[in-house]
Amino acid sequence: QSALTQPASVSGSPGQSITISCTGTTSDVGSYNFVSWYQHHPGKPPQLMICEVSNRPSGVSNRFSGSKSGNTASLTISGLQAEDEADYYCSSYTSNSTMIFGGGTKVTVL
Amino acid sequence: QVQLVESGGGVVQPGGSLRLSCAASGFTFSDYGMHWVRQAPGKGLEWVAFIRYDGSNKYYTDSVKGRFTISRDNSKNTLFLQMNSLRAEDTAVYSCAKDRWSATTMPNDSFDSWGQGTLVTVSS
Repeated sequence: QSALTQPASVSGSPGQSITISCTGTTSDVGSYNFVSWYQHHPGKPPQLMICEVSNRPSGVSNRFSGSKSGNTASLTISGLQAEDEADYYCSSYTSNSTMIFGGGTKVTVL
Repeated sequence: QVQLVESGGGVVQPGGSLRLSCAASGFTFSDYGMHWVRQAPGKGLEWVAFIRYDGSNKYYTDSVKGRFTISRDNSKNTLFLQMNSLRAEDTAVYSCAKDRWSATTMPNDSFDSWGQGTLVTVSS
């Protein structure tokens, strides 16, 4: 099964909002609300930012929000800050009883 | 707090075997499903395997089925990954990760804790 499709890179200026898309199929993103987003700073373990499409775990800034439409999930970061510069990965449960990640998106704060 | 510490990585020849371990602490290990996730050099994250909290069900990504086996010892708070018939494309940092919710039976949860990972290099 191929990875979920994410843009390789997204950039924005401090204070701006950016959105990262995560496109799957009817066998994963389109059929389940088990979509999560992780922030990964190189050399550190990934951090869960969004679970179950749009739920924000305790301690995660409310500048991070998630949504889904059809086969595409999205992560929006509002009020972009320098510390948001990282790699971001989406994941989804699949109809094969497996989990699949997206290819990852590098967020650059200009 | 939750701690996950992997060990067992190293350099192995193609066709060889390795057994990874993940020592867990700071939570009731036997209550949570656990995963292995890997990241090849310069590549993204790839989910590898999941084991139910009680060890009764296991799930794998297609590329490792029949070669890798996930297991756990709840009495020792330890997760394992037995890797056989290793290939060059298995070269990666392997990390264990904990489900967010307890008593999950399928690999459909998110991960709220990850280890730092252990590097596996398959090369002749």
